[in-house]
Amino acid sequence: DGGITQSPKYLFRKEGQNVTLSCEQNLNHDAMYWYRQDPGQGLRLIYYSQIVNDFQKGDIAEGYSVSREKKESFPLTVTSAQKNPTAFYLCASSIGETLFFGPGTRLLVL
Amino acid sequence: KNQVEQSPQSLIILEGKNCTLQCNYTVSPFSNLRWYKQDTGRGPVSLTIMTFSENTKSNGRYTATLDADTKQSSLHITASQLSDSASYICVVRGTAGNNRKLIWGLGTSLAVNP
Repeated sequence: DGGITQSPKYLFRKEGQNVTLSCEQNLNHDAMYWYRQDPGQGLRLIYYSQIVNDFQKGDIAEGYSVSREKKESFPLTVTSAQKNPTAFYLCASSIGETLFFGPGTRLLVL
Repeated sequence: KNQVEQSPQSLIILEGKNCTLQCNYTVSPFSNLRWYKQDTGRGPVSLTIMTFSENTKSNGRYTATLDADTKQSSLHITASQLSDSASYICVVRGTAGNNRKLIWGLGTSLAVNP
């Protein structure tokens, strides 16, 4: 069953804690992306990767970090420097113009 | 100011009825325009992608139109079903290259009632 998986579905972060959101795809896509979705705002790009071992900052990269050690995986770490992390996080991959999204992870702050 | 404006913000229709959602954009230069459907708590799913040279594109009961001169697009849903209840998002790619330069609208929330 091909697609993009994200885990966990819900994640709780304590003050000062780093948390990592998982994103895995078996679509053999080179490009992968992380978006953040907040109520009343359009999706905003956090980081993207066009190829393994390479990634670029998006529009709101501050307080986040990523790695791309494997083609299938693009984990996102929300660091303690991100002061307003509560949001719905979406991972995507693409081939050509079409973006394929995962089911999302909702991050909440305790 | 958001470069992609969608209207209405929300819409309620009865099952079986048609509806049209609007998208106006000011993004320039323009490469393509996409419509996505996002169910509550899920990731968006692509419905259509149109370049400036395409006026209309259909995907089942969904038909998108594009007027690149007036910078307007519409998404028409025919014979609505309960499963059409979702947010519909208009997205514009501003420059050639990769998917880096996507401008996302805020979406129209559609509720289809029985």
